Amino acid sequence: KAGVTQTPRYLIKTRGQQVTLSCSPISGHRSVSWYQQTPGQGLQFLFEYFSETQRNKGNFPGRFSGRQFSNSRSEMNVSTLELGDSALYLCASSLNTANYGYTFGSGTRLTVV
Amino acid sequence: GENVEQHPSTLSVQEGDSAVIKCTYSDSASNYFPWYKQELGKGPQLIIDIRSNVGEKKDQRIAVTLNKTAKHFSLHITETQPEDSAVYFCAASIRGTASKLTFGTGTRLQVTL
Repeated sequence: KAGVTQTPRYLIKTRGQQVTLSCSPISGHRSVSWYQQTPGQGLQFLFEYFSETQRNKGNFPGRFSGRQFSNSRSEMNVSTLELGDSALYLCASSLNTANYGYTFGSGTRLTVV
Repeated sequence: GENVEQHPSTLSVQEGDSAVIKCTYSDSASNYFPWYKQELGKGPQLIIDIRSNVGEKKDQRIAVTLNKTAKHFSLHITETQPEDSAVYFCAASIRGTASKLTFGTGTRLQVTL
């Protein structure tokens, strides 16, 4: 059974650019959450999608957005990149939004220069 | 919002000894408390979780205890092995928002021979 797949694994972008990260959840999982992990702030919740709808949102600026497709795959987008956006972005999936036990992917390491 | 504190930040034990990591949470509405293990270059892996209607849960060498009155929960690893070396995170989520995990700052566990 394939796990949560995130692409790409590594990404280098320049300040001011935008970036799109992709997440394919475990087959059958319909809830997808995104987290940002940095040495200074730790693991922080970005947002959660279920059935193509955003169900929960963390305290991040509007430059961070996401979406979910009908096959449950999800993307997150960061516009107007800042140096502080450099982080490991993690995606997690679960059967549904009320189901406990989220499985994380290995993440996308984004570096903003 | 929820706040989770985790101690210690680093822990070194000899192989075969026990390790204990402690977390406290602030919101009495929290009802789900997972523990994740993160190895270098990988995403967090769920190792055990507990819900607020249970005081203790055990899975082989790993156990978690929850004290709702004091708002703290702990991870206990017995008979530690070198492969237990990793960063461990506690987390909590508020009733109705299972996907929105608030994480502790992590404990780096080093198991020495």
